Amino acid sequence: QQQVKQSPQSLIVQKGGISIINCAYENTAFDYFPWYQQFPGKGPALLIAIRPDVSEKKEGRFTISFNKSAKQFSLHIMDSQPGDSATYFCAASTGTYKYIFGTGTRLKVLA
Amino acid sequence: DAGVIQSPRHEVTEMGQEVTLRCKPISGHDYLFWYRQTMMRGLELLIYFNNNVPIDDSGMPEDRFSAKMPNASFSTLKIQPSEPRDSAVYFCASSWGANQPQHFGDGTRLSIL
Repeated sequence: QQQVKQSPQSLIVQKGGISIINCAYENTAFDYFPWYQQFPGKGPALLIAIRPDVSEKKEGRFTISFNKSAKQFSLHIMDSQPGDSATYFCAASTGTYKYIFGTGTRLKVLA
Repeated sequence: DAGVIQSPRHEVTEMGQEVTLRCKPISGHDYLFWYRQTMMRGLELLIYFNNNVPIDDSGMPEDRFSAKMPNASFSTLKIQPSEPRDSAVYFCASSWGANQPQHFGDGTRLSIL
């Protein structure tokens, strides 16, 4: 029940396309859902986060869509660029400071 | 602003040796987290501190692992004795409050031969 399931494991998108990464959870006590971006040799960096009182949050080309009833949330990267090529992790927490991370999605954007 | 600083960036040592990883959190952050990242298990929380006190160490794999935070600006993760299966990237992160973003360092890549 503490797991966060992330898909797909890897994703290849053409430059200018839309990248979509999905996450699902079971624990309805989760109340904070961040997405992290990680480049090789670097630590994960916060990209965008959402709380369950909103269904969507947009920051630039990055959008989180949140479906509370389905217990799913997704990251959309619009107009994907080669510089977006990285590994993306979703996470969830219950307010206990303890993040449960998804398994990661390796995104490659072709030039 | 300086981010979370970890040292060393890379560590290669032989099985059985003691390994000490170091972390300096962002100033003003009173939560500190130690994570381990492997291909097989992804990102796992090992332990976290609040105001220098260990709060949850349920993720620490074995008694060979220990962590300390002697003051607000420094923490260590120690493995003694080290084993090849401890090879991983170890990350330190810090945060200033409940459900606030955790800021990660660039990690220590540990290889145990």
